[in-house]
Amino acid sequence: KAGVTQTPRYLIKTRGQQVTLSCSPISGHRSVSWYQQTPGQGLQFLFEYFSETQRNKGNFPGRFSGRQFSNSRSEMNVSTLELGDSALYLCASSLVLRGTRSNTEAFFGQGTRLTVV
Amino acid sequence: QKEVEQDPGPLSVPEGAIVSLNCTYSNSAFQYFMWYRQYSRKGPELLMYTYSSGNKEDGRFTAQVDKSSKYISLFIRDSQPSDSATYLCAMSAGWSSGSARQLTFGSGTQLTVLP
Repeated sequence: KAGVTQTPRYLIKTRGQQVTLSCSPISGHRSVSWYQQTPGQGLQFLFEYFSETQRNKGNFPGRFSGRQFSNSRSEMNVSTLELGDSALYLCASSLVLRGTRSNTEAFFGQGTRLTVV
Repeated sequence: QKEVEQDPGPLSVPEGAIVSLNCTYSNSAFQYFMWYRQYSRKGPELLMYTYSSGNKEDGRFTAQVDKSSKYISLFIRDSQPSDSATYLCAMSAGWSSGSARQLTFGSGTQLTVLP
């Protein structure tokens, strides 16, 4: 069974540019969450998408946005890049069980390492 | 104060030692508790997943949750050099909180197992 796939693995962008990152969840998983990991702040929650709708959002500026497609694949966009946006961006997918309100495990991809120069 | 506190280490142990990793938390809404292992330049790998208080064992790994003390632990028996990595605790609340599936992470503990 294929895991969570994130593309690209590495990106170098210039300040002021925008970037789009892609995440393909595990087959059958309908929830996709995005996290930012930096040495100073650790892993921080950006947002979660389920059934093409943003369900939850972390404490990040509006420059960070995302979307989810009908096949559960998700994209994350960062506009007007700043140096501080340099980080490892991680995507996690979860199986949402129909008819239950139980959480399930979250599985992470390898991440996209974004460097802003 | 952070919602989840984790000793960053670094922690260095000899091969074969028992390793104890811990996290404390302040949010009583947390119901799901996880431990992830992250190798350098890789994504976090799920090791253990538990719901509410109690113990769970999987091979050399044992996870303990004490909700009354807001304290969780991961024990690694017979540690191996391949266990050298950063270990992250993570937690999430249930559906009634409105933030189900949002994980709050500890800062991670860097572990080195010496051969």
